This record gives sequence, C-alpha cells and structure tokens, in this order.
Amino acid sequence: AQSVSQHNHHVILSEAASLELGCNYSYGGTVNLFWYVQYPGQHLQLLLKYFSGDPLVKGIKGFEAEFIKSKFSFNLRKPSVQWSDTAEYFCAVNAKSVNTNAGKSTFGDGTTLTVKP
Amino acid sequence: DVKVTQSSRYLVKRTGEKVFLECVQDMDHENMFWYRQDPGLGLRLIYFSYDVKMKEKGDIPEGYSVSREKKERFSLILESASTNQTSMYLCASRGLAGVSSYEQYFGPGTRLTVT
Repeated sequence: AQSVSQHNHHVILSEAASLELGCNYSYGGTVNLFWYVQYPGQHLQLLLKYFSGDPLVKGIKGFEAEFIKSKFSFNLRKPSVQWSDTAEYFCAVNAKSVNTNAGKSTFGDGTTLTVKP
Repeated sequence: DVKVTQSSRYLVKRTGEKVFLECVQDMDHENMFWYRQDPGLGLRLIYFSYDVKMKEKGDIPEGYSVSREKKERFSLILESASTNQTSMYLCASRGLAGVSSYEQYFGPGTRLTVT
C-alpha cells in the first residue's frame, strides 16, 4: 500500500524567507505526485503535479517541487514566501494503474504554513 | 471551471440518526471520492467510485456507505451517526488519466457535528 509522510506539521516563517516542505512517499511502482493547498476558508486546490519528464515542476504562485526518485521525495519549495501563502499544504501520491479508471490518491497529514508579515 | 458542490456547509445531527451528504460535479468526471479531514490526520479516503454504480472502499469505510446512481452525483451515507464521525467531509471528482489532467477537484466541504 502507498503512504505519504510530510515531515513538518507546522512551519512559521517571516515574509521573504525561503520555504521547503518535505514529502516522502512509499510505493514501489510508478506514481503521480501532487501538492494541494488549502487557503483559509477556501477549497483544496492543486498547486502543482508531477506525471513524467522533467523532475522539477513549477506550479502556481511561484511554487516548485522536485521529484527525486531515488529518495522517494517530492519536496515543495518557494524562494520567497508572502503573507498570502499562509495555508495548509498537502502532498499526495497516486499509484498509476493499467486501468486508467482506477487509482486512489493517498494524502499526507498536511503542513500548516504561517507567514508573518 | 470544474465545479463540485456539496449539499450543506454545516450540519448538526444527533447520535443514531441516518445522515446523507450529497455531492454533485458538473465536469462529467468518471471518478468521485469522499474524504474526511481531521486536524493532524490530513485527508483520509472513505470511499471512491470509478463509474456509475461502481464503488470501492477507501482506508476508513467503517460506519459509512455510498451511492452513485448517476454519473454526476455521489452520496455519502452515515447509517447511524456517532460522535466520532464529527468531522469535515470533502467530496472530490477526477477525470480519466490520459484524457484529463488527473488532478482532483474538491468541493467546499461539509462540517458535520454529531451530538
């Protein structure tokens, strides 16, 4: 079974600081990887995703993530955070299936990011 | 824009009541999901459906059932609500891999309190 581990439960940064949120997954096969974000009072929404190809993927609002297959990691980064980045961030892994209709995602426990102005 | 709607934002029920949570998506997605979100536990999958009338148990199906009679609608049923089912319930939908972006689109959530 697949699993996802997010190392940081709560991160507090000042504006302009750099961010890196850790995500490791456990699954022996090919995976799709996602980061979702939930801003206060809003729906969960996609931040970025990795399917194949370039292991460095860029998402919305200046976020990026790097897939390192040998480390089973998909860490999220942003060089300079803003107050508006305050939110909860979830890493998710979806195991690829030969049946394109199947495949469930497993989410990490989430990391709450607080950015102080 | 994909839209996933849930029937209620807030719901208060009594222990032992039968509870229905409804979810509707407007993107003709094949896959639909029900999660519960609890602080410190992330999102945990209750059930998912990959086609009309087709369903699979997720990681925590006990105490829940689901129904998908139409492609756009996926219902979560708490047969006999208990206080440990107090939670935020999220519905999501997703298209097929290879023909869609394969990301999940989430509804606004239903905060259920069982007293």
